[in-house]
Amino acid sequence: DIVLTQSPALAVSLGQRATISCRASESVRSSMHWYQQKSGQQPKLLIYGASNLASGVPARFSGSGSGTDFTFTIDPVEADDIATYYCQQSRNDPDTFGAGTKLELK
Amino acid sequence: EVQLQESGPGLVKPSQSLSLTCSVTGYSITSNYWGWIRKFPGNKMEWMGYISYSGSTSYNPSLKSRISITRDTSKNQFFLQLNSVTTEDTATYYCARSARTYYDGTYYYWGQGVMVTVSS
Repeated sequence: DIVLTQSPALAVSLGQRATISCRASESVRSSMHWYQQKSGQQPKLLIYGASNLASGVPARFSGSGSGTDFTFTIDPVEADDIATYYCQQSRNDPDTFGAGTKLELK
Repeated sequence: EVQLQESGPGLVKPSQSLSLTCSVTGYSITSNYWGWIRKFPGNKMEWMGYISYSGSTSYNPSLKSRISITRDTSKNQFFLQLNSVTTEDTATYYCARSARTYYDGTYYYWGQGVMVTVSS
C-alpha cells in the first residue's frame, strides 16, 4: 500500500499562510485529494486531483504538486479553518490516507 | 442535495458481526460508486471497500475475508457487514459517495459517520 506522510501539527496565526505537506511513498501522479475535518464532523472534500478546488470551497484554499510531493495551502487562515487536514491518494488500490495534520492557532 | 446517513448498533461484541446501513437521498445508488471508510481512535483512516452502480464490489485486501458490501436499490440503501470483529475494529464508520475521473482519480463525499465500539 502507498504510505502518505504528513506532519502531525502546524501552528499558524490568523491572517497568515498555512502550508501542509503530504509525501507519498511512491508516485501517485496527480491522484491526490485533501479533506478538512472539524471536531465532531465528517471529512469534507476541499481539493481533488492535487489542485482542483471542490465546489463551494473558498479560493483561499489551494493545492499543488504531483508525483510524490504535495502541498495544501490556506491563505489567509481564518478562525473557522481550525481543523485536521488529511491527504488521500487514489493512484493505487487500495486508496490510502495520511494521518492528518492538525492546524492550530499560535 | 445528496445526503448519506449511517445507522446501526453502536456496540458490538467481539467475534460477532458488525452491520451498518447507509441511507442515501438526493442521488440514486444505481449511479456512481458507494463505499465505506473508517477512522480509528488516533485518526488513522482506512478505505474498506465499495459497491458500484452495477452491483460489483471491491474490498481492501486487509479485510477481504471478513467484509461484505451489499445494496437494496428499491430503498436506495447500501450495507456493510464485517464479520468476526475484534476490539481493533472499534472506529467511526463513514459511508461515502465516490467521484471518479480518469485524470484526477477517486475522491469522496462523506456521510456523518457512526461510532462503533467492539467490547464485551
